[in-house]
Amino acid sequence: DVKVTQSSRYLVKRTGEKVFLECVQDMDHENMFWYRQDPGLGLRLIYFSYDVKMKEKGDIPEGYSVSREKKERFSLILESASTNQTSMYLCASSLIPGSYNEQFFGPGTRLTVL
Amino acid sequence: GDSVTQMEGPVTLSEEAFLTINCTYTATGYPSLFWYVQYPGEGLQLLLKATKADDKGSNKGFEATYRKETTSFHLEKGSVQVSDSAVYFCALRSDAGGTSYGKLTFGQGTILTVHP
Repeated sequence: DVKVTQSSRYLVKRTGEKVFLECVQDMDHENMFWYRQDPGLGLRLIYFSYDVKMKEKGDIPEGYSVSREKKERFSLILESASTNQTSMYLCASSLIPGSYNEQFFGPGTRLTVL
Repeated sequence: GDSVTQMEGPVTLSEEAFLTINCTYTATGYPSLFWYVQYPGEGLQLLLKATKADDKGSNKGFEATYRKETTSFHLEKGSVQVSDSAVYFCALRSDAGGTSYGKLTFGQGTILTVHP
């Protein structure tokens, strides 16, 4: 059974803290993605990676960075957390681009920044 | 750029009612279209997809037809169940090349609640 796991389901941090969100997939997928989900806005892409050590900015990269040192792991980093980064964060992975390749999602991490 | 617009929610129905959730899109070229579902406390999972015009995706009693002439991909189900209560997302994937290929653009999501 395919699986994308995220390190925490719930996380509470303080303004200014450095926050790491971890995502691991066991499907040997090339592509990995980080989204944030906010009510009324759907999912918005923060960053994605199409190979180890490769990354590209998505639609809302400001305030975030990513790291992909191994194929199965993709980390999202909030260098200095702010209250407007309180959100649900979803990780996803997929095979190399192709019309038939779906994205598989993790369960999400609900981050609250106080 | 690409965009997806879903009907406003929340949608509340009685069990066995007919469901339609509207989805329209704007994209260049010939995108692939998807419906994802998110059950309470879970991540998104693919419900159905269509990769070219006039294709019909179907799964678990849900259907959607890729209509290029109206740029729409409306989700329908003839008889909903309480277990269908979830958030539904329409999404598209552009067929543009380059490293952005494979990126999904999502609608805002529609909350569906089905009462017994």
